[in-house]
Amino acid sequence: GESVGLHLPTLSVQEGDNSIINCAYSNSASDYFIWYKQESGKGPQFIIDIRSNMDKRQGQRVTVLLNKTVKHLSLQIAATQPGDSAVYFCAENISGTYKYIFGTGTRLKVLA
Amino acid sequence: GAVVSQHPSWVICKSGTSVKIECRSLDFQATTMFWYRQFPKQSLMLMATSNEGSKATYEQGVEKDKFLINHASLTLSTLTVTSAHPEDSSFYICSASQKKTGGTEAFFGQGTRLTVV
Repeated sequence: GESVGLHLPTLSVQEGDNSIINCAYSNSASDYFIWYKQESGKGPQFIIDIRSNMDKRQGQRVTVLLNKTVKHLSLQIAATQPGDSAVYFCAENISGTYKYIFGTGTRLKVLA
Repeated sequence: GAVVSQHPSWVICKSGTSVKIECRSLDFQATTMFWYRQFPKQSLMLMATSNEGSKATYEQGVEKDKFLINHASLTLSTLTVTSAHPEDSSFYICSASQKKTGGTEAFFGQGTRLTVV
């Protein structure tokens, strides 16, 4: 289930199940979004991106959905594996700039 | 993808001293680099935008005299934490942007963990 920790919400899923991580973004002018994975002590790693003229984009085992009406992004991970355990952040790119704003993040814990 | 290298990976310094962190784009030219700060269990907070050949743009609440940023070339930006104090202990991460079709992708360094004792 989902719970709120001190700062980061945590999502616990059973190995092999699908994971859905949600993110609300703040700026209507954002037109490009990226999901990042961050493992402990490391910088963020690119997972998948989506432009605002798309609703859905699929990668390998991952799918990003974008709902511009409610300014919501989700990351779906199929057949979650132990190696998927990490903190996941969405980032929005403000249109016309190189600036990124990060969401609060979600810790994904994969249970064996 | 493009590679951004950050150095050092970790540093411990005494209170009152200054620490310099380097961020390099290894295989592309980055006219713009960004510096983030991340406290435990929190998200990345943008500190400043570093533009090659010009002054950095700092986010609200970030002291520009304490966090000196220099972007002397298209592949190197440095962040100097001056007169460091224990509350400056944090994970500092840089990123560099590369324009590509459909968006502006950002590439991140591996981060620098600063501990001020």
